[in-house]
Amino acid sequence: GENVEQHPSTLSVQEGDSAVIKCTYSDSASNYFPWYKQELGKRPQLIIDIRSNVGEKKDQRIAVTLNKTAKHFSLHITETQPEDSAVYFCAAISTGNQFYFGTGTSLTVIP
Amino acid sequence: EAGVAQSPRYKIIEKRQSVAFWCNPISGHATLYWYQQILGQGPKLLIQFQNNGVVDDSQLPKDRFSAERLKGVDSTLKIQPAKLEDSAVYLCASSLVKKGEQYFGPGTRLTVT
Repeated sequence: GENVEQHPSTLSVQEGDSAVIKCTYSDSASNYFPWYKQELGKRPQLIIDIRSNVGEKKDQRIAVTLNKTAKHFSLHITETQPEDSAVYFCAAISTGNQFYFGTGTSLTVIP
Repeated sequence: EAGVAQSPRYKIIEKRQSVAFWCNPISGHATLYWYQQILGQGPKLLIQFQNNGVVDDSQLPKDRFSAERLKGVDSTLKIQPAKLEDSAVYLCASSLVKKGEQYFGPGTRLTVT
């Protein structure tokens, strides 16, 4: 099965700085990579996703990059704001439609 | 658009008791997922349905967990008998298509004492 590793587990940045979270996956057949944001006590919500035929995708302050050769993908948040503070999860979906989530990164944006 | 509904929101039971969770996905969503999220960890997929058929249940502890999705709409997840390590939030999610955006329900927080 797929194995998704996520780093770092915790991340603190000053407001306005950038934050980068990295994930690696093991199954070369995985071809869909969503990122979820989960605020304390709330449900996960999709913030951005990327498919394996694309190398980079941006949505305002959020971007995701994918390196299929190295089997890793990253979430980039620029100009961080206090409301970006949450736990972020990456996921990898295999061709068998099995979802595997990373262990999460707790991001704290310090005002 | 109504979201994914789950009930109950909270449940406290003693070990060896049984419990059932209910999920109503977004109307028209063919794919339904049940996840277990232990505190401090990412969601772990337990079972995935496509309409009323099981797509994947490889991580479902079948000796104690069961799930069904009769008529391809609502779904129930049952644990019988519960163990202490089953304490977690059980999340239901649905998507319109496979590998489509998943919409999560509010979850059911289960505490086994």
